[in-house]
Amino acid sequence: GAGVSQTPSNKVTEKGKYVELRCDPISGHTALYWYRQSLGQGPEFLIYFQGTGAADDSGLPNDRFFAVRPEGSVSTLKIQRTERGDSAVYLCASSAGGGSDTQYFGPGTRLTVL
Amino acid sequence: QQQVKQSPQSLIVQKGGISIINCAYENTAFDYFPWYQQFPGKGPALLIAIRPDVSEKKEGRFTISFNKSAKQFSLHIMDSQPGDSATYFCAASKGGFKTIFGAGTRLFVKA
Repeated sequence: GAGVSQTPSNKVTEKGKYVELRCDPISGHTALYWYRQSLGQGPEFLIYFQGTGAADDSGLPNDRFFAVRPEGSVSTLKIQRTERGDSAVYLCASSAGGGSDTQYFGPGTRLTVL
Repeated sequence: QQQVKQSPQSLIVQKGGISIINCAYENTAFDYFPWYQQFPGKGPALLIAIRPDVSEKKEGRFTISFNKSAKQFSLHIMDSQPGDSATYFCAASKGGFKTIFGAGTRLFVKA
């Protein structure tokens, strides 16, 4: 079946602009995760959804970052007033039920803030 | 408390050799320790995982060794192949939810 998909694959924006990044999880997966990966680093946890609710958003760096999953499937990561330091690959993963169920990652969205 | 320290940063191994990557953690509440493999332009993919009630887990050519008292765990890749050339991440979590990743090891297997 189809894996996790993320759109767009690349996003270039200017400092101060608003961006939305989309994640389509594997069908039927109830858990969804967002990570941020800077060049040469491991993924950094941002937020975890179980169904429609954010079960843990402790990794969001500040209030410019927000994520939603209104119907328990597709999720959108929203970044306001982008800064150059936000440039990174944003990864989404989903798992069947959360916990130690395998997390399947998408290919990521490469965000570049000029 | 949240860190996972991984070494080495990079590793070059001859084809057929053993690749060894080490990780150390601080938070004793962690109870799930996965290893991920990532190829350029792709997301990480789960390779193998272990829980602290087991000291070793083997799947094919991949083995995790776990030392709970030392708060250390390692990945061994036996009979390393050029196709194993990738970046490997260790990780740790409590219950498998919020996952903390190491900084990664870039492995190159020479043919």
